[in-house]
Amino acid sequence: EVQLVESGGGLVQPGGSLRLSCAASGFTVSSNYMSWVRQAPGKGLEWVSVIYSGGSTYYADSVKGRFTISRDNSKNTLYLQMNSLRAEDTAVYYCARGMIGDYWGQGTLVTVSS
Amino acid sequence: DIQMTQSPSSLSASVGDRVTITCRASQGIRNDLGWYQQKPGKAPKRLIYAASSLQSGVPSRFSGSGSGTEFTLTISSLQPEDFATYYCLQHNSYPPTFGPGTKVDIK
Repeated sequence: EVQLVESGGGLVQPGGSLRLSCAASGFTVSSNYMSWVRQAPGKGLEWVSVIYSGGSTYYADSVKGRFTISRDNSKNTLYLQMNSLRAEDTAVYYCARGMIGDYWGQGTLVTVSS
Repeated sequence: DIQMTQSPSSLSASVGDRVTITCRASQGIRNDLGWYQQKPGKAPKRLIYAASSLQSGVPSRFSGSGSGTEFTLTISSLQPEDFATYYCLQHNSYPPTFGPGTKVDIK
């Protein structure tokens, strides 16, 4: 059974950093595209980043230069390193398998506030 | 960036109604479009991929059509569990962009 479980969210001050994790089971992360999508409170969905099976990465302009997507093949886990966090980064962050997510995690809430 | 619009932004319908949601892209995206259902406090769930292919396990009352710039999601007979918000997503070019969503609630 395919499962994705995010962790690492929490409250962080503006300018701070946080690393999100997405532990996968039932499939191999490194053999798939893997994405991060976020949703600000009461708002719609926003694509954040993707990592290809070959290792190429892409980012939304809103996070480029501040966020880094990566994976640990030995742990079958996807990561999102978030630096220089801003209030507008406050959202539930979802990881998803593939570019357009046939499977999604339950999400982890990131709150950026002083 | 490709802009996605959805209409209507919300609708009220009754169980058994036929419901159609439209998604339009600001430029042609072939059939590189998916539809997602999201219930409050839950992760999105993919219903349709490649504009018209039904995700495994999704009831056949859901269908998608379209190509290029105009797409539709149809629910042939609305069920109580279908009350949710629906989003389209284009992945033809970077960045992938979602539509603003259509909220379907009970009349």
